[in-house]
Amino acid sequence: DTEVTQTPKHLVMGMTNKKSLKCEQHMGHRAMYWYKQKAKKPPELMFVYSYEKLSINESVPSRFSPECPNSSLLNLHLHALQPEDSALYLCASSQDWRDLRNTEAFFGQGTRLTVV
Amino acid sequence: GNSVTQMEGPVTLSEEAFLTINCTYTATGYPSLFWYVQYPGEGLQLLLKATKADDKGSNKGFEATYRKETTSFHLEKGSVQVSDSAVYFCALRILYNQGGKLIFGQGTELSVKP
Repeated sequence: DTEVTQTPKHLVMGMTNKKSLKCEQHMGHRAMYWYKQKAKKPPELMFVYSYEKLSINESVPSRFSPECPNSSLLNLHLHALQPEDSALYLCASSQDWRDLRNTEAFFGQGTRLTVV
Repeated sequence: GNSVTQMEGPVTLSEEAFLTINCTYTATGYPSLFWYVQYPGEGLQLLLKATKADDKGSNKGFEATYRKETTSFHLEKGSVQVSDSAVYFCALRILYNQGGKLIFGQGTELSVKP
């Protein structure tokens, strides 16, 4: 099973709302990622968790707050977003980053977020 | 620095035509290389990978060979189908701040006509 499950698939939120995106994997992967993708562009890395600890934050604004409650779950909490934050948010997971053979990341289907 | 350069799209082919999408990279060390495919309205799917020089990744009729001497990882398919219409991303993985980071090319949109 190489599935990464993201919920919800679509989300519309106002600029004063608080919402959360959820991601789940059951592949035993120890690294999990959030990416942001604008239309017709490649994904941009936002956060990396390794062994449930935040290891990379690519200077993401604080209105995005990641959380890794356990090794299978990854959340992205959203608060006071701007219309320009509208995008496809992708979650991914991979084996231990130190594994030089199983280096591929598996992506979920994404959450299409619209901020109004 | 680390970067990936892909040929610009869109690429339009007729069904059963030969496909090549060029990808070259710049990286320190020996990164793993990947091709991902994104169908309209969906996430990214891993298409194939190669982890060391001269490795050939293959899947669903697609192939790519890790060429260290030319720093390339070109994607090929002998006979494309309408269902191959999608955006294709070449990517490399680097070790970064005690984590792995994927660096993507800009993507190449492929449109296959019947």
